[in-house]
Amino acid sequence: QVQLQESGPGLVKPSETLSLTCTVSGGSISNYYWSWIRQPPGKGLEWIGYIYYRGNTNYNPSLKSRVTMSVDTSKNQFSLKLTSVTAADTAVYYCARDLGSGSYCDYWGQGMLVTVSS
Amino acid sequence: QSVLTQPPSVSAAPGQKVTISCSGSSSNIGDNYVSWYQQLPGTAPKLLIYDNNKRPSGIPDRFSGSKSATSATLAIAGLQTGDEADYYCGTWDSSLSVGVFGTGTKVTVL
Repeated sequence: QVQLQESGPGLVKPSETLSLTCTVSGGSISNYYWSWIRQPPGKGLEWIGYIYYRGNTNYNPSLKSRVTMSVDTSKNQFSLKLTSVTAADTAVYYCARDLGSGSYCDYWGQGMLVTVSS
Repeated sequence: QSVLTQPPSVSAAPGQKVTISCSGSSSNIGDNYVSWYQQLPGTAPKLLIYDNNKRPSGIPDRFSGSKSATSATLAIAGLQTGDEADYYCGTWDSSLSVGVFGTGTKVTVL
């Protein structure tokens, strides 16, 4: 059974960089796409982007200038960096396995609340 | 801002059937497969339906999906108290080159 776990700081100061890592266990990161999705408190889901295990990426145009994703196949991990954060970036961040470049996600991490506050 | 529109809430008594609509456009639902997710309070979304009408292993056949032109529908038959959750549709938008989700629908079992 594939499991995903997000990790990183739960509190980030405004204008700084949010950094999260997703560790995949129970399966290989190879041959799949991996997505990041976020959900502001009390609101709906927003797709941030995906990365293929080979490093190809596709980002949400609304966040593209601030987002960088990377993958480390040796550690079975992929990561998200979001720069110049504001309070509007406060959300639960989910990592998920994407079955086809933005098609659908079959396995999700439990989610991690990241709060942007000074 | 979601490009897929869902009703904010639907409700029905136990054992009844509810349907949730997801309205989009020719560049998203009209051009791509639709998926549906169930989000129980305080938990991560769970895949219910993919490729418009397919169920992952372990999802009961009480849940079914369909698509017509630029709209999709999730039906839940034999409603149970454990079905109380938020439900989201999702797809790809070919024009925006972005994954998109619906506005979400809260299902209440009366």
